[in-house]
Amino acid sequence: EVQLVESGGGLVQPGGSLRLSCAASGFNFTPYSMNWVRQAPGKGLEWVAYIGIGSSTIYYADSVKGRFTISRDDARNSLHLQMNSLRDEDTAVYFCARDRAWAFDVWGQGTMVTVSS
Amino acid sequence: QSALTQPVSVSGSPGQSITISCTGTSSDVGAYDYVSWYQLHPGKAPRLMIYAVTDRPSGISNRFSGSKSGNTASLTITGLQPEDEADYYCSSYRNTSPLNWVFGGGTKLTVL
Repeated sequence: EVQLVESGGGLVQPGGSLRLSCAASGFNFTPYSMNWVRQAPGKGLEWVAYIGIGSSTIYYADSVKGRFTISRDDARNSLHLQMNSLRDEDTAVYFCARDRAWAFDVWGQGTMVTVSS
Repeated sequence: QSALTQPVSVSGSPGQSITISCTGTSSDVGAYDYVSWYQLHPGKAPRLMIYAVTDRPSGISNRFSGSKSGNTASLTITGLQPEDEADYYCSSYRNTSPLNWVFGGGTKLTVL
């Protein structure tokens, strides 16, 4: 079964850091680009970051650029999101999502990040 | 405010058809055939329903179809079923600097 499972969410104070992980299984991870997408409570979806095959290209949303870093470990079939200088507005469920034809064809169930003092 | 505009809610009775619109600009929806649609049920992983404007992934019912005209894309669901009740989001690739993807604000579909 094709599956993505996120982990690493939790409660963190403003200005703090958190590292999210996404474990992929059931498919060959290496030839796929990957993304992080988030959904704040009561809000819509927001694309956060993209990483291409072999980490060749990386893009960030303006809202997280300079604070978040996306990375991948193809040997371990995993995707990561290092989040620094966290703000209240970063509170959201974070999903990892596989890229297919400029769409997101497989999603995890998400991990909740709460930024609060 | 979301980059793409969707109606907040739509509703229909079982068996009926509904259409959800998604309006963008000439930099996203109107520029590329990279519009996709997602179904969200609370507590579950989002599900891709339509990609590349009109294509259905394997396993998605042919009751779901997509189209586009100018800067507006649409998702049509025919033969509404109770399990179709969910939130639906459109998305489009946007070739700007930085390159990114944009979403609509979401539409709550209620099956009466």
